[in-house]
Amino acid sequence: AQKVTQAQTEISVVEKEDVTLDCVYETRDTTYYLFWYKQPPSGELVFLIRRNSFDEQNEISGRYSWNFQKSTSSFNFTITASQVVDSAVYFCALETSGSRLTFGEGTQLTVNP
Amino acid sequence: EAGVTQSPTHLIKTRGQQATLRCSPISGHTSVYWYQQALGLGLQFLLWYDEGEERNRGNFPPRFSGRQFPNYSSELNVNALELEDSALYLCASSLGQGTTDTQYFGPGTRLTVL
Repeated sequence: AQKVTQAQTEISVVEKEDVTLDCVYETRDTTYYLFWYKQPPSGELVFLIRRNSFDEQNEISGRYSWNFQKSTSSFNFTITASQVVDSAVYFCALETSGSRLTFGEGTQLTVNP
Repeated sequence: EAGVTQSPTHLIKTRGQQATLRCSPISGHTSVYWYQQALGLGLQFLLWYDEGEERNRGNFPPRFSGRQFPNYSSELNVNALELEDSALYLCASSLGQGTTDTQYFGPGTRLTVL
């Protein structure tokens, strides 16, 4: 069975602070994909990044960076110099066979001015 | 390029009625997925359609059903509505079976059962 755990239910920071969202996953499959999605108050899930299980290279995209470590089954997401517009619920997700996404519980990030 | 679209935005029904939700995928995508986001239950996989066929189903009762049309759009039907069916229903699309494409989501339909 697949499982994704986002232990941080809510995080509150002040603008310009760096913030890291944690994600730990469980799967017995050797081939899998990891994702991060952002859900603003409007409700739509916005795709942020996808990683396959064979690519542990970290990635940086502007203020966003992702740290994938197979040894600890973690796929953490860092926002540098946070902004008010980053306020949203962030979901980590896992896809193995069957094309279904297994989501974590989500982390509500609030960035205060 | 247009994203995934869903209709209606909001739907209010009473217990026991039937609800029909619609989804149009991104052009060129043949797979459509349905997810339920209910309060306290998180995002749960409902159904996956590809090329008109149901390919996978989540742990939901048979009163949740759907279909995919030749133009790859999809309908989700929920029969005999119960109060706990109140949720945001999200549709996603991807390039399809045999690919490893990302699922892109629509804005959702918020279903309220009174």
